[in-house]
Amino acid sequence: AQSVTQLDSQVPVFEEAPVELRCNYSSSVSVYLFWYVQYPNQGLQLLLKYLSGSTLVKGINGFEAEFNKSQTSFHLRKPSVHISDTAEYFCAVSRNTGGFKTIFGAGTRLFVKA
Amino acid sequence: EAGVVQSPRYKIIEKKQPVAFWCNPISGHNTLYWYLQNLGQGPELLIRYENEEAVDDSQLPKDRFSAERLKGVDSTLKIQPAELGDSAVYLCASSLNRGGTYNEQFFGPGTRLTVL
Repeated sequence: AQSVTQLDSQVPVFEEAPVELRCNYSSSVSVYLFWYVQYPNQGLQLLLKYLSGSTLVKGINGFEAEFNKSQTSFHLRKPSVHISDTAEYFCAVSRNTGGFKTIFGAGTRLFVKA
Repeated sequence: EAGVVQSPRYKIIEKKQPVAFWCNPISGHNTLYWYLQNLGQGPELLIRYENEEAVDDSQLPKDRFSAERLKGVDSTLKIQPAELGDSAVYLCASSLNRGGTYNEQFFGPGTRLTVL
């Protein structure tokens, strides 16, 4: 079975500062990894995904994440955040075979302050 | 292209009452998912359909929850009777499953259920 741990429930940061949202996963098989963003009263939107290949993945809105297999991590980073990045961010994992059932972390609330 | 549509967006009911949620997936998407999202948590899969067949309903509490996707397009999720602990957001998602490869899930805005 797979599991996901998001290490920070809330991350406050000032506008234009860099941010890292941490995610660790556990799995006995090869996985796909994802980051989703959820704005208030909206559904989830895919930010980026790692399926295979380069371990540095670039996504929308200037976000990127790095897959580290030895540390079983998939941390999300942005070099300079905007007020509009304030949202809930979810890390997720799925097996790379058979139905691709997705397991989500509990979420990290990113709060960007002016 | 229209996204995943869910209705109602908000629902308030008293405990022991029935409630139903409706989802219309993106046109052409053969896979439909219902997720439960409790406050402060990530979504948890309730049921997954491939066309009209429920291929994973292991997390659906079958004593009070039921779902259907009769024509392989839109879907209804029902709770009867509702309990206080059912208060949550119910998310629907869809994807185009080509078999053997990853396909992005697209999420609707959710239905926020409050049980009083």
